[in-house]
Amino acid sequence: GAVVSQHPSWVICKSGTSVKIECRSLDFQATTMFWYRQFPKQSLMLMATSNEGSKATYEQGVEKDKFLINHASLTLSTLTVTSAHPEDSSFYICSAREDPFALTEAFFGQGTRLTVV
Amino acid sequence: AQKVTQAQTEISVVEKEDVTLDCVYETRDTTYYLFWYKQPPSGELVFLIRRNSFDEQNEISGRYSWNFQKSTSSFNFTITASQVVDSAVYFCALRMNTGFQKLVFGTGTRLLVSP
Repeated sequence: GAVVSQHPSWVICKSGTSVKIECRSLDFQATTMFWYRQFPKQSLMLMATSNEGSKATYEQGVEKDKFLINHASLTLSTLTVTSAHPEDSSFYICSAREDPFALTEAFFGQGTRLTVV
Repeated sequence: AQKVTQAQTEISVVEKEDVTLDCVYETRDTTYYLFWYKQPPSGELVFLIRRNSFDEQNEISGRYSWNFQKSTSSFNFTITASQVVDSAVYFCALRMNTGFQKLVFGTGTRLLVSP
């Protein structure tokens, strides 16, 4: 399958600082990227969907000013957690899909474990 | 509304036992896709299978098999002769057929296979 790379794999930051997570599609052009959050022992919850060149669509209850998503190119999307707080500590996973009509699969990155201290 | 239910929170088996993970879904769409993913302790999601709503044929891949029953809205996953390496969290997911066709995940079943 196609490769989606997330960076960093883990990050520890101080409360109040911002953290950027990158999601790259290595061998295909991703028209659509998804960002999920997973708290310990819980399921994956979709945070937002982004299409290249347009604004992200956020799920209900997700603060768009806190979780900034940029999908500026067909191979890169970034999630920035602004003014992070301990409750933002979680596992963040991206997935990327080549086909805008979902005729191909979305592939997942390896995830980023964020710890805010 | 789209919903995926995995009623089994955790299952423990001994190596070589067969185990079935249950998945029940709800959707109003007539066309949809169902998925199973494996999440080992490292965290990455490993794609196992995709099934579309028009294909009710059961599938077997090595020790893995899937039983799709549209009549009961179930898509169960069986591991035959389980191994320690099968220990992971398994997620069933439903892909919506509208909008961005995003995935809705079940709550997951943690499988522990002991030697």
